This record gives sequence, structure tokens and C-alpha cells, in this order.
Amino acid sequence: DAGVIQSPRHEVTEMGQEVTLRCKPISGHNSLFWYRQTMMRGLELLIYFNNNVPIDDSGMPEDRFSAKMPNASFSTLKIQPSEPRDSAVYFCASRKEMGLTRDYGYTFGSGTRLTVV
Amino acid sequence: KQEVTQIPAALSVPEGENLVLNCSFTDSAIYNLQWFRQDPGKGLTSLLLIQSSQREQTSGRLNASLDKSSGRSTLYIAASQPGDSATYLCAVHTNAGKSTFGDGTTLTVKP
Repeated sequence: DAGVIQSPRHEVTEMGQEVTLRCKPISGHNSLFWYRQTMMRGLELLIYFNNNVPIDDSGMPEDRFSAKMPNASFSTLKIQPSEPRDSAVYFCASRKEMGLTRDYGYTFGSGTRLTVV
Repeated sequence: KQEVTQIPAALSVPEGENLVLNCSFTDSAIYNLQWFRQDPGKGLTSLLLIQSSQREQTSGRLNASLDKSSGRSTLYIAASQPGDSATYLCAVHTNAGKSTFGDGTTLTVKP
């Protein structure tokens, strides 16, 4: 398996522009997560999908952020309009969850480094 | 609310030393704990996953232990090498979709 695939690897955009980040989870994993990492705040969970359904989006900073998972093999995180404070590394991760008794942990993608100028 | 603490924040050792990284958590009702490695500018690579029913897991020179009752996990690295230099994070999974990450320990192994 190629692992969790994210694109683009790097994105530089001007303030006010729309940014779309993409993620392809590992085949067979039923949960997908978007995280943001900054030096100041570490890793923050933005949103979590289970079986393509958003379960917890309490970490989404504000209405400028939105995420979709139209099918089991694709998810997007969109920021519109983008602001300099959105600059961070955005990670997508997937997991195979099998109830409360067992799961197989996270597999992370390589991340998208977003710079908003 | 689960809190995860990793101490020390940074550690520097000479090559060849055995070392222990610590991870403590406040809520013992976890169902697994995962250790990751992160190289500068890279993603998180999973090292070891310990289920709540397990006491330890081993992979090569790495050994991770879990003591739920005391809220602690340790990552033991034997015979450290310069290539082990990275940031090590632990993540505690308390229920489906709820995970708390520590801030990590940045390890430097000097040749």
C-alpha cells in the first residue's frame, strides 16, 4: 500500500485566496482525520470522519474551514478565504477502527505545508 | 479531559547510550497508546502501538511499555544512533476518534 497520500506537498498562496488540500486514505481504513501542526499549538485535531460521515468537527477553527469526504478513498479540506494565521502543516491520517476493543492506530500522510502571505 | 505530558522536552545523548523517553497521561481509561517519530519537516511515522490489554511492545531496538494504572508509558531505545535523532511523540486514544498527543521529546544523538 502507498500509505496515506496528501497533495500538494507545499502550497503558497496569497491572503484571501481559496486553498484546497487533498487526501487519499489507506484502502480499508474506515476513519479519516485532519490535523494541523504548528510550533505554538502542536498537533490539533480539526475534523474526524468515520465511514465517510463527519463525527467530530469541533476542532475546525471557524467557518472559513470546511471538509468533505465524498467517498471512502478521498477527502478534502478547504480554507476560504485563507489568512496568514492559517499557515501550518496540515496532516491527514487514517485508521482502521474495529469498535472499542481494538484498532490499529494512525497512519499519517506526509503533510501539506501551507504558507499564506 | 485527557492531558498528555512528555518529559523532557529535549534530550541529547552520545551515540551508543541506552535511553528512555517518558509519556504520562491523566485519564487511565485508554484503549491504546501509540508512539511516533517525526523528522524535521516530515510527517509522523508510527513506531509502536500498545493495546490497553498489553504491557509492552518491541520492535528492533525499541521497546515501549504501558502502565495504565499509573498513567505512564516509556519508550526505550537501545544503543542509540545518530539516525535516531528526531522528535518522538506519544498519542493516547481514549475512545473512537478521541486522541490526545503529547508535545514530543526532541532527541539528539551525537556521534
